[in-house]
Amino acid sequence: DAGVIQSPRHEVTEMGQEVTLRCKPISGHNSLFWYRQTMMRGLELLIYFNNNVPIDDSGMPEDRFSAKMPNASFSTLKIQPSEPRDSAVYFCASSDQGRGNTGELFFGEGSRLTVL
Amino acid sequence: AQSVAQPEDQVNVAEGNPLTVKCTYSVSGNPYLFWYVQYPNRGLQFLLKYITGDNLVKGSYGFEAEFNKSQTSFHLKKPSALVSDSALYFCAVRDRNDYKLSFGAGTTVTVRA
Repeated sequence: DAGVIQSPRHEVTEMGQEVTLRCKPISGHNSLFWYRQTMMRGLELLIYFNNNVPIDDSGMPEDRFSAKMPNASFSTLKIQPSEPRDSAVYFCASSDQGRGNTGELFFGEGSRLTVL
Repeated sequence: AQSVAQPEDQVNVAEGNPLTVKCTYSVSGNPYLFWYVQYPNRGLQFLLKYITGDNLVKGSYGFEAEFNKSQTSFHLKKPSALVSDSALYFCAVRDRNDYKLSFGAGTTVTVRA
């Protein structure tokens, strides 16, 4: 398996622009997570999907952030409009959280976002 | 509520010496415990997990971790550290009845030659 695939790996944009980050989870996994990593705040859970349905979006910072999972093999995280404080590494992770599974997460390589 | 504490921001050891990275946790129910490693500009990689059974868990790259229920700890260990073990290490906990994985702040390990 190719693992969790994220794109783009790096994104540099200007304040106010729309940013879309993409994720392809591991085939067969039923859970998908978006995390944000910064030096100041460490790893923060933004949103959790189970079977393509958003279960917990309490970590989404504000209305400028939105996430979708239209099918089991694709998810997006969108920031509109972007601000400099959104600069971070965004990780997508997937897991199999079915009965009897321990649900360890498998992470993508991350998307490093810089908002100027 | 669940949480993880990694009391050391940094651990420095000489190559060939034992390496220990500390982790304590708090969870209301029975825990699943995990260790992940992150190399520069990479995603987190799963190292090992404790589910049930033997308190000593063996994982990738020669790492092991000991679950101690009375001390609510899950320390990561390696008998003989390598320079290539230099990385950021995260401990994580999940209640067995929950989906949410709580991560510690991470410990930077530096192994000097």
